[in-house]
Formats: sequence, C-alpha cells, structure tokens
Amino acid sequence: AQSVSQHNHHVILSEAASLELGCNYSYGGTVNLFWYVQYPGQHLQLLLKYFSGDPLVKGIKGFEAEFIKSKFSFNLRKPSVQWSDTAEYFCAVSPLSGGYNKLIFGAGTRLAVHP
Amino acid sequence: DAGVTQSPTHLIKTRGQQVTLRCSPKSGHDTVSWYQQALGQGPQFIFQYYEEEERQRGNFPDRFSGHQFPNYSSELNVNALLLGDSALYLCASSLERGRGSNTEAFFGQGTRLTVV
Repeated sequence: AQSVSQHNHHVILSEAASLELGCNYSYGGTVNLFWYVQYPGQHLQLLLKYFSGDPLVKGIKGFEAEFIKSKFSFNLRKPSVQWSDTAEYFCAVSPLSGGYNKLIFGAGTRLAVHP
Repeated sequence: DAGVTQSPTHLIKTRGQQVTLRCSPKSGHDTVSWYQQALGQGPQFIFQYYEEEERQRGNFPDRFSGHQFPNYSSELNVNALLLGDSALYLCASSLERGRGSNTEAFFGQGTRLTVV
C-alpha cells in the first residue's frame, strides 16, 4: 500500500538552529511531492512542491526540500529557524498513476521553536 | 478572492445520527477532495469529486458519501455516526482541467466533528 513516513513526531529547537525533517514514501511510480504547514489555529498551507526538474526545490519562508528518487525521500530543511516557524509540518505524496491528484499524508511533525 | 470555506466550524452529534458538512471551493477551482484528520494523525483521503461525480475513493465505508453541485461546491455526508468518526474534516479544492495535471490543493479550515 502507498504510505508516507515522517521520522520525527516532535522536534524542539532553539531559534537560529538548523532544521531537517525527514520524509520517505513507499510507491514505485511517478509522484508529485508536497510539504504543507499548519500554524496554530490556521488551515493547511502549502510550503513547497515538487513536480519535476531540479530535485532541490525552494518554498516560502526560507524552506527548501530535496527529492532523492533512489531513496524515496523528500526531506525538508531550513538553515535557521525562527519562533514563528512553530507549527505542524506534513509531507504529502500524490501518485500520478491513476491520473487524479489525491494526497497521501504522513502523520506530521510538530515543531516547537524556543526563543 | 475567497479561499476554501467550510461550514460549520464545529459540530457535536450523537452516535447513530447523520451529519452533513459543506465546502465551497476556491474561486476558479473545479475539483473538491475531502479528508479526515484524526487527532495526532495526518489527513486521510476520503474521496474526490469532479464534474459532479465521485472519481476516486479512499478506504472509507459506504456510510461516507458526498455530492458536488453545478457550482462546484460539495457536501460530505456521514450516516450512522460512530465515536470513531470524531475528527477534523478537511475540504481541499484544486483546478484539474483533466487527468494527470500537476496541480496543488488548497485547504479549508475544516469542520471539527465530535460524536458523543
């Protein structure tokens, strides 16, 4: 079955620390890849997406992610986090075999950034 | 430009009852998907509607049904509610144009359903 695994459920960092959140998926075909963020009390928002081309994609607020096809991974990174990055982060995969865009989400990583 | 709107925001129902949740997609979008997000988990795909038809379905029982209207808005219906149906129900809209198009989904704030 298709699935998405996020390695860390909770991450606690101090401001200015670097962030890397792991995401692996199980699906052998072509996929689109996404990271969504949910700030406290807000709706899910797209951070960045990968459809094709350069495997290193840049998103909003200084986030970037790298798609490594051989490892079925799409890890999220940010060189220096801020208190405002406190949120829950979801990795999602959209398999393209069916032709329709449904999203398969990981369980999420809750990030807390302390000043 | 209105984003995805869902109503109601919160709902409390009793076991065995039926519930209807509503979603208006982002302006210009033609496809609506519904997700269930249980506490501490990621959203799980329920089904997707395009051109007023259900065209994809996740691993949810027939108690979950939906509808899409000509104006692209959508409803999610759940019959014979169980305690385990308590969750945040998310609606997402996108512009598909056709099969295999690369597109992103925009999410509403969700409806928090509590079954007691």
